[in-house]
Amino acid sequence: EPEVTQTPSHQVTQMGQEVILRCVPISNHLYFYWYRQILGQKVEFLVSFYNNEISEKSEIFDDQFSVERPDGSNFTLKIRSTKLEDSAMYFCASSLDRSSGNTIYFGEGSWLTVV
Amino acid sequence: RKEVEQDPGPFNVPEGATVAFNCTYSNSASQSFFWYRQDCRKEPKLLMSVYSSGNEDGRFTAQLNRASQYISLLIRDSKLSDSATYLCVVNLESSYKLIFGSGTRLLVRP
Repeated sequence: EPEVTQTPSHQVTQMGQEVILRCVPISNHLYFYWYRQILGQKVEFLVSFYNNEISEKSEIFDDQFSVERPDGSNFTLKIRSTKLEDSAMYFCASSLDRSSGNTIYFGEGSWLTVV
Repeated sequence: RKEVEQDPGPFNVPEGATVAFNCTYSNSASQSFFWYRQDCRKEPKLLMSVYSSGNEDGRFTAQLNRASQYISLLIRDSKLSDSATYLCVVNLESSYKLIFGSGTRLLVRP
């Protein structure tokens, strides 16, 4: 079964440092997403990306965050200056069609710990 | 009011039991509805879509009541492997995002 792959699986970083989380979506998918889940809380939407631009973003996705698809295969989430409250599991996802919950595939997540 | 609300549980049931979870959503523009399953520190995985007419997949039955903005999941003949957190998820019309509830934790004991 095709899968979304994410790296790193776990990263520890110091407050104020930049972090880049990487994702390889399923190859023929056109829509890409980042979600996050703070420990013990719900999964929250961050951003969706289609046709090389952000199609929707949440209030969480402020100027500290950016996304990029630099080479046609990787999809990255950059956090410019991490805060303690950025500690969370970050899930990348992709879909062939616009987000519908039965066509979206999630990666296994990147666990970010900010100290 | 939370966009998607669920009883956090945990529901602690013996193997073979029938258990039901409920979920309410606040936005009447919600268009699509799903139940996802999440194991501890893993990604959410689609369990089933929820249709207005109600639908069944093996031991799992989902129901949707649009008038009451209410979704349910029934699990029959619970297995130990059903132990997980069950997430109620909705998708708004004209939106790219999925809106997750906080989940209901199920523990199935031998």
